[in-house]
This record gives sequence, structure tokens and C-alpha cells, in this order.
Amino acid sequence: EDQVTQSPEALRLQEGESSSLNCSYTVSGLRGLFWYRQDPGKGPEFLFTLYSAGEEKEKERLKATLTKKESFLHITAPKPEDSATYLCAVNTNAGKSTFGDGTTLTVKP
Amino acid sequence: DTGVSQDPRHKITKRGQNVTFRCDPISEHNRLYWYRQTLGQGPEFLTYFQNEAQLEKSRLLSDRFSAERPKGSFSTLEIQRTEQGDSAMYLCASSLVPTPDEKLFFGSGTQLSVL
Repeated sequence: EDQVTQSPEALRLQEGESSSLNCSYTVSGLRGLFWYRQDPGKGPEFLFTLYSAGEEKEKERLKATLTKKESFLHITAPKPEDSATYLCAVNTNAGKSTFGDGTTLTVKP
Repeated sequence: DTGVSQDPRHKITKRGQNVTFRCDPISEHNRLYWYRQTLGQGPEFLTYFQNEAQLEKSRLLSDRFSAERPKGSFSTLEIQRTEQGDSAMYLCASSLVPTPDEKLFFGSGTQLSVL
């Protein structure tokens, strides 16, 4: 069975304090690893898709990387508006996405 | 592109009642997914459709849950004889396959409270 584990569950940072979120996965036949952002009371919003080990994608202060067993979401010099829950998900040949439980990020000004 | 719409946004019901939720996906999207999310947890897969065909249903899903997508456009999710454990956010998502990134577009969800 596909499994996705995210750590830490919660992360509190000062504005400008860089850090990383981890997503480790166990799947048979990875077709893609996804990062989503979720704000309270809203549905998840797509950030990145990664397909193969060594791949990296960047968007503003966020950079996602992928290895054979895990992915990292690096946040550089975060701002309060980056506060949200960040979800990792994997797609397999089954066609559906399996999500982790997320990391809730709080950035204090 | 008006995004994925879900109705209602909130639903309060008594235990034992039936409820139905509606999802209108992005018009050109051929896949539609239903997920359930409780506080502090990630979205849990329930079922998905490609056009009007239901391709997979979670093995953990009770027979009280049923979903339809009759013309390959909007979808409904019905829960019969609701239980307190059904209280959750029900999320709908749509996607267009095949595409390079296969990303999901989510609605804002229906928050169900079973009293």
C-alpha cells in the first residue's frame, strides 16, 4: 500500500529564517510527487510536480527536490504570508493521489 | 475557467439522515475525484471518475457512500444514514489527463457536521 509521511507536523519560523519540510514515501511505481499548499477553510492549491530523482523545481521562495525515497520543500527567507499547511502527495499507476498529513507552517513577523 | 465549485459549503445534519453534495468541475476536465479530510489529516481518497465511468472506489469506503457523474460533467456524493464519524470536509477535485503535470484542482469543500 502506498504511504506518504511528512515531517515535522508543525514548524514555527521567524520571518527570514529558512528551513525545509520533509516528505518520505513508499510506493510501487511512482508516476509523480506533488506539493500542495492549503490555507484554512480552503482546498489544496497546486505548487509543484516532480517525476524523477534529482529533479528540482522553484517558485518564488519555495524549492522542491526529489530523491528515490523522499522529497524536500525548502523555504528560503519565509514571509508571514507563507504560513499554511503544505501537503505532499504521490501518484502511481493506479491514477489517484495519496496524500500525507501535511506540515503546518507558521511564520512570525 | 471558473474553478471547481462545491455546494453546499456547510451542511449540518442529524445522525441517520441522508445528505447529498454536488461538485461542478472545471468544464474541460475529464477526471473528477472525491476526497475526505478531517482536522489535522491529509485528504483521504474516496473515489474517482474518468468522464462518466467510476474507475475506483476506496476499499475502506462504507456502502453508505455512493457517487455519480451521470453525464461526465457534475458529480454528486451521497451519504446515507449518516453517522457522527462522517463529520469531515468533503473535497472535490478535477484534472485533465493526460497532461504534463497531472495536477489536481480542488474546490473549497463541503464541511459536514453530523449531530
